[in-house]
Amino acid sequence: TQLLEQSPQFLSIQEGENLTVYCNSSSVFSSLQWYRQEPGEGPVLLVTVVTGGEVKKLKRLTFQFGDARKDSSLHITAAQPGDTGLYLCAGDNTGGFKTIFGAGTRLFVKA
Amino acid sequence: SAVISQKPSRDICQRGTSLTIQCQVDSQVTMMFWYRQQPGQSLTLIATANQGSEATYESGFVIDKFPISRPNLTFSTLTVSNMSPEDSSIYLCSVEWDRGGETQYFGPGTRLLVL
Repeated sequence: TQLLEQSPQFLSIQEGENLTVYCNSSSVFSSLQWYRQEPGEGPVLLVTVVTGGEVKKLKRLTFQFGDARKDSSLHITAAQPGDTGLYLCAGDNTGGFKTIFGAGTRLFVKA
Repeated sequence: SAVISQKPSRDICQRGTSLTIQCQVDSQVTMMFWYRQQPGQSLTLIATANQGSEATYESGFVIDKFPISRPNLTFSTLTVSNMSPEDSSIYLCSVEWDRGGETQYFGPGTRLLVL
């Protein structure tokens, strides 16, 4: 069974701090997505990474796909209270048709 | 990206009853999915809703408990049958928008509380 392991599971930081969330697997993914979900809402897509080694930036968020397409990271610079939410990584495996979700990282940024 | 709506947005139901959740997309999509998200948890895929054929269910989910309809390329329903408090959860539909590759886009979710 393919698994996507996210770490940390929970993170509480002060406004202005930097943080990194990791998403790791022993399997290769054809693409990987990062979502943010706020309470009472559905997950909202932040980015899709497809190419090994790819780096994408979205304002203060930097996403990286591992060279072997087995892992990914999300780095947030100077976190703000508006970044608070559940961050989910999801991967599309290379052999099947199902998207696999990580357990999520719950981020709380204190003002 | 596709715009997805769900109805109802939330409901409180008595045990033993059934609730049908609707998912409407503003574009025609091939793949639609139903997920469950229990409090504080990640997403668990219930089934893939196929247009013109029966839904494909994941391990641990059965058609009698979660019947699904997919009458056309823009609409699907999920019914939670004979509910118990353990069914209290957020139910999310998602679509794999054909012009978006394999990326899934989610509806806002239906928050269900079973008493």
